Amino acid sequence: QLQLQESGPGLVKPSETLSLTCTVSGGSVSSTNYFWGWIRQPPGKGLEYIACISYSGYNYYNPSLKSRVTMSVDTSKNQFSLKLSSVTAADTAVYYCARLNPYYYGSGTKYYFDYWGQGTLVTVSS
Amino acid sequence: DIQMTQSPSTLSASVGDRVTITCRASRSISSWLAWYQQKPGKAPKVLIYKASNLESGVPSRFSGSGSGTEFTLTISSLQPDDFATYYCQQYNDYSSGTFGQGTKVEIK
Repeated sequence: QLQLQESGPGLVKPSETLSLTCTVSGGSVSSTNYFWGWIRQPPGKGLEYIACISYSGYNYYNPSLKSRVTMSVDTSKNQFSLKLSSVTAADTAVYYCARLNPYYYGSGTKYYFDYWGQGTLVTVSS
Repeated sequence: DIQMTQSPSTLSASVGDRVTITCRASRSISSWLAWYQQKPGKAPKVLIYKASNLESGVPSRFSGSGSGTEFTLTISSLQPDDFATYYCQQYNDYSSGTFGQGTKVEIK
């Protein structure tokens, strides 16, 4: 059974960089079939898609966050990571990592989130 | 960017009720829509993908329909375990992968 686990600091100071890692077990980030992504949820609010990446590093970033986001994959550790720079209080949220499952059709592939980590709360405060 | 709008924001219902949640996209997303269920303190769980396909292991009382810009999630007979918040998400454009704002299903 695939499992994902987020890790990283629970408290980040304003203007600094938030760094999170997602460790995958029961599956491989090197699989050519899947993308891997991050989603966040401010306390009491809805879900916001952040970014996704393939094992080869092909990525898609939410345009509203693109200038501050970097994702990477470490196949040797079976992990993928998120960095969000210049954080403010508005970046306080539960951050989820997730797998994107492919749906193959005639002219391509589309992906939806099928497995999620449990989430980790990151608070931005001095 | 594609915007996703869910209605209603909150829904009060009783066990056994038929429940319908609507999700509208600001432009056509074909059938590239998923529905998720989220309970307090837990990660979302996928229920439906490609608008009407039931994810493995999800009870058959959940169903989805629609294409283009208008979609619905229906729970045919609401069970106690179904009281939760439901989100739609478009994945036609996954540079944004926009979610709806959520619909909370409460006990009447």
